[in-house]
Amino acid sequence: QQQVKQSPQSLIVQKGGISIINCAYENTAFDYFPWYQQFPGKGPALLIAIRPDVSEKKEGRFTISFNKSAKQFSLHIMDSQPGDSATYFCAASISDSWGKLQFGAGTQVVVTP
Amino acid sequence: NAGVTQTPKFRILKIGQSMTLQCTQDMNHNYMYWYRQDPGMGLKLIYYSVGAGITDKGEVPNGYNVSRSTTEDFPLRLELAAPSQTSVYFCASIPLIGVGTEAFFGQGTRLTVV
Repeated sequence: QQQVKQSPQSLIVQKGGISIINCAYENTAFDYFPWYQQFPGKGPALLIAIRPDVSEKKEGRFTISFNKSAKQFSLHIMDSQPGDSATYFCAASISDSWGKLQFGAGTQVVVTP
Repeated sequence: NAGVTQTPKFRILKIGQSMTLQCTQDMNHNYMYWYRQDPGMGLKLIYYSVGAGITDKGEVPNGYNVSRSTTEDFPLRLELAAPSQTSVYFCASIPLIGVGTEAFFGQGTRLTVV
């Protein structure tokens, strides 16, 4: 079963708008929550990541919000640009599990001009 | 540095054929992984290795085998290919384990079994 559940499956947003992708997990042993960005024909690349002792992390236009009690975390893309059109994956891992990542199903984001 | 390099980029196999997906990294990373990506399913871990000579199964290992004779190379072997193995395969490596370690992915191998 999917250990990390991601929604929505796809998202269309206008240029300048906000994209929001949500993820939920069950395993409270997870202690690292990265987001990966994937362009067509390419491998995933790390975008931003958070640890559960922090409720929010911001890097440029990308922000992760983390709610430990609800076991949920989300990615916000502010001022979305056409170049942000990609598939976004949330993931989770446990620090003593040899780096193995559990991925969400992915969200395809399309930013219209 | 080339990073993580996968070959081939595309391959069509007939049912029952076998092949090896190649993965090499030039970053001297000890930890390497094979994931498969299916539409709407995210990435699933097939096998991983924590160093030369050490491999272990991931979430979906059936139908695959791996070996790790050197730090650089981590090939994935498909024996008796089946249509269910049609997927995009990604190799990844991590420099060290612990909280906050970035995984570096190759560009993928798109495999179709017909």
